[in-house]
Amino acid sequence: DQQVKQNSPSLSVQEGRISILNCDYTNSMFDYFLWYKKYPAEGPTFLISISSIKDKNEDGRFTVFLNKSAKHLSLHIVPSQPGDSAVYFCAANMKTSYDKVIFGPGTSLSVIP
Amino acid sequence: GAVVSQHPSWVICKSGTSVKIECRSLDFQATTMFWYRQFPKQSLMLMATSNEGSKATYEQGVEKDKFLINHASLTLSTLTVTSAHPEDSSFYICSARDTPIRYEQYFGPGTRLTVT
Repeated sequence: DQQVKQNSPSLSVQEGRISILNCDYTNSMFDYFLWYKKYPAEGPTFLISISSIKDKNEDGRFTVFLNKSAKHLSLHIVPSQPGDSAVYFCAANMKTSYDKVIFGPGTSLSVIP
Repeated sequence: GAVVSQHPSWVICKSGTSVKIECRSLDFQATTMFWYRQFPKQSLMLMATSNEGSKATYEQGVEKDKFLINHASLTLSTLTVTSAHPEDSSFYICSARDTPIRYEQYFGPGTRLTVT
């Protein structure tokens, strides 16, 4: 059972426009959320994160929004650039006896010049 | 900063042999290291979590006798795939965290394992 879902496997956006990547989760025990970017044959790179006690975090062109009641978060990239083309993973941390991060299936973003 | 390396970047081995993959944190001390596996067009699957000097915690369904993890120091963790089979062929990625307070993980570049 997938606890972190990214229902759009792919997304195409024109350069300069906004990219919105969505993520839904099912477990109320998640206390921290992260977005990672991954190029083929490379490890993921951390982008931005948000604590469950916040509803927005911004870092340059990247903003993450968290709606706890809807168990939904989104990553906004403005303006989108061709170099942003990659797979984006939403991840959630669950505090158990150790911290466990669960990744979503990823969304492949293509930014068209 | 926060660079994680993996070696080798790719390896081909024969069925039945063992292969070791190293994961190093180059410019920080990793309190915790993680090993993931990624199948084509799929997400990262957490295999195990290891803290320096203690036994790894394996996720459900991961055979600890097959995937041996050693976290001998604060900068090195190794994953040994024992008696490899073709179905073990995959992309293995390690990550490390530099503090138990922050949740961000820094990932290595991954190792492509092909078992023939």
